[in-house]
Amino acid sequence: KQEVTQIPAALSVPEGENLVLNCSFTDSAIYNLQWFRQDPGKGLTSLLLIQSSQREQTSGRLNASLDKSSGRSTLYIAASQPGDSATYLCAVFESTDDKIIFGKGTRLHILP
Amino acid sequence: DAGVIQSPRHEVTEMGQEVTLRCKPISGHDYLFWYRQTMMRGLELLIYFNNNVPIDDSGMPEDRFSAKMPNASFSTLKIQPSEPRDSAVYFCASSKQGWGYTFGSGTRLTVV
Repeated sequence: KQEVTQIPAALSVPEGENLVLNCSFTDSAIYNLQWFRQDPGKGLTSLLLIQSSQREQTSGRLNASLDKSSGRSTLYIAASQPGDSATYLCAVFESTDDKIIFGKGTRLHILP
Repeated sequence: DAGVIQSPRHEVTEMGQEVTLRCKPISGHDYLFWYRQTMMRGLELLIYFNNNVPIDDSGMPEDRFSAKMPNASFSTLKIQPSEPRDSAVYFCASSKQGWGYTFGSGTRLTVV
């Protein structure tokens, strides 16, 4: 059974620092992987989707990488800002039927 | 596109009453998902549809919950009768196979 783990569960860093959020999964035979952010009391916003043939995706200050063989993905945030404070969730697509398995998220707090 | 649209945004109802949550997916998306989120249990997949057909309803907590998708542009999640433990945020998401999820803003349900 696929399990998705995000460590740490919570992280506080000073504004301006670069940081990395980690996501690991137990079964490397995944299809796609998607990163989301969720602000308190809000819905999930898609950040980046890494499709099965890709190894990374970039959007602005965000870069997500995927290493299927090692069962890992990272989300890199450059020059962090207080507005980046949110919970970040990683989700893996087990197959082509589009059902995904979520990690429990990393709660990020950027200190002004 | 206006994204995934859910209604109502908030619902407060008395125990025993019927509750109906609504979702309009993004046009052209062929998958629709219903999730429930609580602090204790995180995000839980309740049911999902492919081309309007229910594929997996194993996450539906009990017979009090039912979901329908009569056409490609509309789905409902019904709880009858509602109980206080059903209080949660219910999210609808849609996807086009292989292109990632888009979530709605959610319905915050409170059963008193």
